[in-house]
Amino acid sequence: EAQVTQNPRYLITVTGKKLTVTCSQNMNHEYMSWYRQDPGLGLRQIYYSMNVEVTDKGDVPEGYKVSRKEKRNFPLILESPSPNQTSLYFCASSLTGLTEAFFGQGTRLTVV
Amino acid sequence: GENVEQHPSTLSVQEGDSAVIKCTYSDSASNYFPWYKQELGKRPQLIIDIRSNVGEKKDQRIAVTLNKTAKHFSLHITETQPEDSAVYFCAVGGSQGNLIFGKGTKLSVKP
Repeated sequence: EAQVTQNPRYLITVTGKKLTVTCSQNMNHEYMSWYRQDPGLGLRQIYYSMNVEVTDKGDVPEGYKVSRKEKRNFPLILESPSPNQTSLYFCASSLTGLTEAFFGQGTRLTVV
Repeated sequence: GENVEQHPSTLSVQEGDSAVIKCTYSDSASNYFPWYKQELGKRPQLIIDIRSNVGEKKDQRIAVTLNKTAKHFSLHITETQPEDSAVYFCAVGGSQGNLIFGKGTKLSVKP
């Protein structure tokens, strides 16, 4: 089954404790991206990647890191999480940036 | 970079009525315009998309129209049903090969 898988689905952590949210797709897509969803602000792009070893900042990259060492995986790293990073995070993949995006199930992150 | 504005932010209609959501964008080189539906607690999913060489596209009760000159595109839902209640996002794929989303419209269809 074609899918995008994020883990974990829910995470509560403390300020400053490094964490990684994993994202994996099995569709051989070249384009992957991370979004955060906050009430009234829609889906804001954090980082995107057009291919292996190619990543670019989106609209809200501060406080986040990503890597794309393999085509299927695109982890999101919060080196020192802060409460303003409490949000719902979605990973998405698509053949290119201009084709249908398939979203993961979402990760609800709370930083206290 | 690309700027996408979506209106209205909330929309309430009676079952059977039509609903229209509009998005404007800033980059005239943008050429891909999808719409996503997000049901409560679920992930966004594509419902329809259009490219810049097409002015209108229909799929049963939903349609998208594009006005490249004015840089806006709209989602039209006819004969709305309660299961159409959701948040709808427009998005714009532009010259950088990247997808930028609007802020979303919460559609409520009252039976």
